[in-house]
Amino acid sequence: GAGVSQSPRYKVAKRGRDVALRCDSISGHVTLYWYRQTLGQGSEVLTYSQSDAQRDKSGRPSGRFSAERPERSVSTLKIQRTEQGDSAVYLCASSFDGHYEQYFGPGTRLTVT
Amino acid sequence: QKEVEQDPGPLSVPEGAIVSLNCTYSNSAFQYFMWYRQYSRKGPELLMYTYSSGNKEDGRFTAQVDKSSKYISLFIRDSQPSDSATYLCASGYSTLTFGKGTMLLVSP
Repeated sequence: GAGVSQSPRYKVAKRGRDVALRCDSISGHVTLYWYRQTLGQGSEVLTYSQSDAQRDKSGRPSGRFSAERPERSVSTLKIQRTEQGDSAVYLCASSFDGHYEQYFGPGTRLTVT
Repeated sequence: QKEVEQDPGPLSVPEGAIVSLNCTYSNSAFQYFMWYRQYSRKGPELLMYTYSSGNKEDGRFTAQVDKSSKYISLFIRDSQPSDSATYLCASGYSTLTFGKGTMLLVSP
């Protein structure tokens, strides 16, 4: 069956602009996660939502990052006022309710110039 | 100290070798343990997962967890050039905390 998909795969944004990244999860999965992956820091969770509730990872990049769940199987990560330090691969993952196995999409590579 | 530590490698082995990849974690609350394989420009692919101490085998792959020492291992038997990738260990209890990944190179 179809896996997790993300769009766009590559995004270049000028510093200070807002960007939105989309994730389509596996059908039936309830929990959606967003991770940021960089060479220096590895992979860090940004936020996740179980059904309609959104839970932000405390201590993470701050209010510039937010996620919306317009549909059960869709999540949109929004980054406001992008900074060069936001350049990274943004990974989306999803899982069934009550299951901890997370399945990842291919990622969106964001470059902030 | 990061909650999950992993040697970045690279680890180079000849084809057919047995590969041992290892991680340590510091948070006693972590309940589940996973290994992901990531090829260049791709997302992480779930290889193995376990919720308890002990061994779990799947084909050429064996995952081992020792909760008393907070040690996670992945063994690959009869390694193949197609196993060349970055291997990420992950652990957690709601979200995943990842190690930085070990790059494995299997030469023909």
